[in-house]
Amino acid sequence: AQTVTQSQPEMSVQEAETVTLSCTYDTSENNYYLFWYKQPPSRQMILVIRQEAYKQQNATENRFSVNFQKAAKSFSLKISDSQLGDTAMYFCAFMKSGGSNYKLTFGKGTLLTVNP
Amino acid sequence: DTAVSQTPKYLVTQMGNDKSIKCEQNLGHDTMYWYKQDSKKFLKIMFSYNNKELIINETVPNRFSPKSPDKAHLNLHINSLELGDSAVYFCASSRGDRRETQYFGPGTRLLVL
Repeated sequence: AQTVTQSQPEMSVQEAETVTLSCTYDTSENNYYLFWYKQPPSRQMILVIRQEAYKQQNATENRFSVNFQKAAKSFSLKISDSQLGDTAMYFCAFMKSGGSNYKLTFGKGTLLTVNP
Repeated sequence: DTAVSQTPKYLVTQMGNDKSIKCEQNLGHDTMYWYKQDSKKFLKIMFSYNNKELIINETVPNRFSPKSPDKAHLNLHINSLELGDSAVYFCASSRGDRRETQYFGPGTRLLVL
């Protein structure tokens, strides 16, 4: 079974600064996907960024980028130029690739607060 | 237009009652999911349907019964509600050839008194 660990229950950052959220995972699979989801106070789950394990290049989406270290089973999220709207719970998630079992396994989340 | 919608958004009920939560997606997806987010914000898969066929059934009490009348709908019926069923329930959907990208509904907050 896969497990996802987010070791930082809460973090805060000043507006316009950079913050990194940590995530580690445990799996015996070789092919999988990793995700960061954002859940603002509105409760909506929003996909922030996705990484395929077979790709060595780190995924980026505007101000969001990841540091994917496959051997270390680490998948951190970097948010640059933090904005007040980035305040949310951030969930790291794992999904095995292939077969019919496309379920997301989530970490416990990190509550990020961006301060003005 | 809402891609994945859930009704109701909020549900307050008494222990022992039976309730249903409805989910509809207008994305043309063929796979739908139910996730449960508990009071500590932990999210866990409950069920998944592909083309109306159950493909994932995690260790969920059999008081929970999903029903998929067609590919665009996946409803969740809960019998004999218990206090521990209080949670936010999220529906999600994905395309058959891109199941790794799941689109979530807005969630239904269920409170059992």
